[in-house]
Amino acid sequence: DAGVIQSPRHEVTEMGQEVTLRCKPISGHDYLFWYRQTMMRGLELLIYFNNNVPIDDSGMPEDRFSAKMPNASFSTLKIQPSEPRDSAVYFCASSLFPSYGYTFGSGTRLTVV
Amino acid sequence: GQQVMQIPQYQHVQEGEDFTTYCNSSTTLSNIQWYKQRPGGHPVFLIQLVKSGEVKKQKRLTFQFGEAKKNSSLHITATQTTDVGTYFCANKAAGNKLTFGGGTRVLVKP
Repeated sequence: DAGVIQSPRHEVTEMGQEVTLRCKPISGHDYLFWYRQTMMRGLELLIYFNNNVPIDDSGMPEDRFSAKMPNASFSTLKIQPSEPRDSAVYFCASSLFPSYGYTFGSGTRLTVV
Repeated sequence: GQQVMQIPQYQHVQEGEDFTTYCNSSTTLSNIQWYKQRPGGHPVFLIQLVKSGEVKKQKRLTFQFGEAKKNSSLHITATQTTDVGTYFCANKAAGNKLTFGGGTRVLVKP
């Protein structure tokens, strides 16, 4: 199993541009999560899906953020327009309820200049 | 979600020594998970504790869930340089939603 796959690994963009982060969960995992990690705020849950349906998006910072899961093997997190304060590492994770633990992807380091 | 607080934030340990990091909550926790994140890496699941007073061991790591299910600890014996990283506890609430503590960053002095 290749694990949770995220792309790109690094993204540098200018303020105001649209950014799309991608995630492929582990096959068979019913839950997919998007987290953001910063020094100031730690690991924050942004949104999670169950069977491709968004369940809780209360962590999404504002309307500039949106997430989709069109099928069981793909999810996107989009920021439009991006701002410097969005700079962070964005992790995607998946899990098989009720199994142990989340499997995290390697993350996307986003820098907005 | 339930907040979990971790102490200490930073832990400087001499190689070969033991240390303990703690995870505390003001409310009863349904369960606790522990993760390790190496510098520049991603969180990796270590273990889940569910029962009151539960103790689990993984080689040099000992995980404990408090009797009142309001705290948990991770004890590492004979610290090695491979133990460097940030250790997170996380509370798994209903609906499979995981809330992370702030982490304990461990630095090992050779």
